[in-house]
Amino acid sequence: DAMVIQNPRYQVTQFGKPVTLSCSQTLNHNVMYWYQQKSSQAPKLLFHYYDKDFNNEADTPDNFQSRRPNTSFCFLDIRSPGLGDAAMYLCATSRSSGGFQETQYFGPGTRLLVL
Amino acid sequence: AQSVTQLDSQVPVFEEAPVELRCNYSSSVSVYLFWYVQYPNQGLQLLLKYLSGSTLVKGINGFEAEFNKSQTSFHLRKPSVHISDTAEYFCAVSEALIQGAQKLVFGQGTRLTINP
Repeated sequence: DAMVIQNPRYQVTQFGKPVTLSCSQTLNHNVMYWYQQKSSQAPKLLFHYYDKDFNNEADTPDNFQSRRPNTSFCFLDIRSPGLGDAAMYLCATSRSSGGFQETQYFGPGTRLLVL
Repeated sequence: AQSVTQLDSQVPVFEEAPVELRCNYSSSVSVYLFWYVQYPNQGLQLLLKYLSGSTLVKGINGFEAEFNKSQTSFHLRKPSVHISDTAEYFCAVSEALIQGAQKLVFGQGTRLTINP
C-alpha cells in the first residue's frame, strides 16, 4: 500500500543536542509538509516543500530546518532542541494539481521528548 | 487569515447514540473544509472533505458533515457511534499556498469518548 512513513516513532534527545526526524513516502507526491503538534493542541504547519523548493512559515523558529534530497524523502532537523520543542511531529504529503484542493496524507508521527 | 473554531473540547457519548461535533469557520473566500480523525499516538486520517457541490458530504466509518455557508458551519455527525470511534477529531480549513500547495488550519480538536 502507498503510504507515508515516519521514523523513528519515538525519539528522545537531550536539551541542545541536534536531532533529525525522517519521513518517506511511496505516493510520489510532489508536496511534503511538516507539522508540529504540541500536547492537546492542533497541528501547526512549520514548512513545506514543493518539489525541491522550500517554503518556511513566517513564525517557524530558525532552530528548525529541513532537507529534501529526493521526491521520496524529507528530513526535519532541530539544531538545538529546547524543552518547548517536545511535541508530535507529523509529516504529510499531497499532490499539487492546480485549482483543486488535494487531500493531505499524514504519516503516523514522531513523538519527540527533550530531556 | 482563515480560522476554525471547534465549539466542544470534549464530547462523551454512550455507544449506539448519535453524535454531532461542531465546527465553525471564518473565511472571506471560497472554502475547502476537512474533518480528520486522530487515534491515540497515531497520525491524522481523512474522514471527509467539502470542496464544492452538495452541501451534505459523506465520509468513511459512517460519518457525514453538512456545509452551511450562511452559518459558516461544517458540523460532523454520525447516527450511531461505536466504541472504536473514540478519538480526537479535527476540523480544518485549507489555505492556499504558492505553487498549488495548501496549508491546513486546524481547530483545537474535539475529544470524542464513547462509553459502553
